[in-house]
Amino acid sequence: AQKITQTQPGMFVQEKEAVTLDCTYDTSDQSYGLFWYKQPSSGEMIFLIYQGSYDEQNATEGRYSLNFQKARKSANLVISASQLGDSAMYFCAMRGGYGGSQGNLIFGKGTKLSVKP
Amino acid sequence: DSGVTQTPKHLITATGQRVTLRCSPRSGDLSVYWYQQSLDQGLQFLIQYYNGEERAKGNILERFSAQQFPDLHSELNLSSLELGDSALYFCASSADGWNTEAFFGQGTRLTVV
Repeated sequence: AQKITQTQPGMFVQEKEAVTLDCTYDTSDQSYGLFWYKQPSSGEMIFLIYQGSYDEQNATEGRYSLNFQKARKSANLVISASQLGDSAMYFCAMRGGYGGSQGNLIFGKGTKLSVKP
Repeated sequence: DSGVTQTPKHLITATGQRVTLRCSPRSGDLSVYWYQQSLDQGLQFLIQYYNGEERAKGNILERFSAQQFPDLHSELNLSSLELGDSALYFCASSADGWNTEAFFGQGTRLTVV
């Protein structure tokens, strides 16, 4: 069964600095997808970035990049030039089912990021 | 704005009651997912519908049921409510059943008193 582990319950970062949020995953599938979502205090879940297991390059979306290390089964989120608005919970997730055949997401427990001015 | 609409945003009800949560997916999305977020369980997948048919089931209690209508909106019905059902319930939608990212609604915060 798939599993997502986020070992950092909380992180602090100084404004304008970069921060890495850790995510490791467990799956026996060869084909899978990894996601990062942001949940501000208002509660909504905001999609940030996606990495497919066969993608050769690390995904990037603006200030977000995904450091994908397949052999280590890690998919860390890197946020460059942190802003105060980045303060939120961040969830790593992967698609469920064999080969991601189910569309539902399996989430980690999240990391609470606080950006200090 | 993700394009996924959930109503109501907040709901307070008593134990033993029944409530219905509604979700309108993004235009063109065929798949709808329901998730429950609670402090102790985290984000848990409940159920998925694809084009009106149940596609996958997660940790959904027998007291809970869902359906997706021909216009693709979905409803999650929660009955015989218990205090432990208090949570944030999310609906998400995606274009297909598995290959694209899911976009979440703002959630319905259910409080059972």
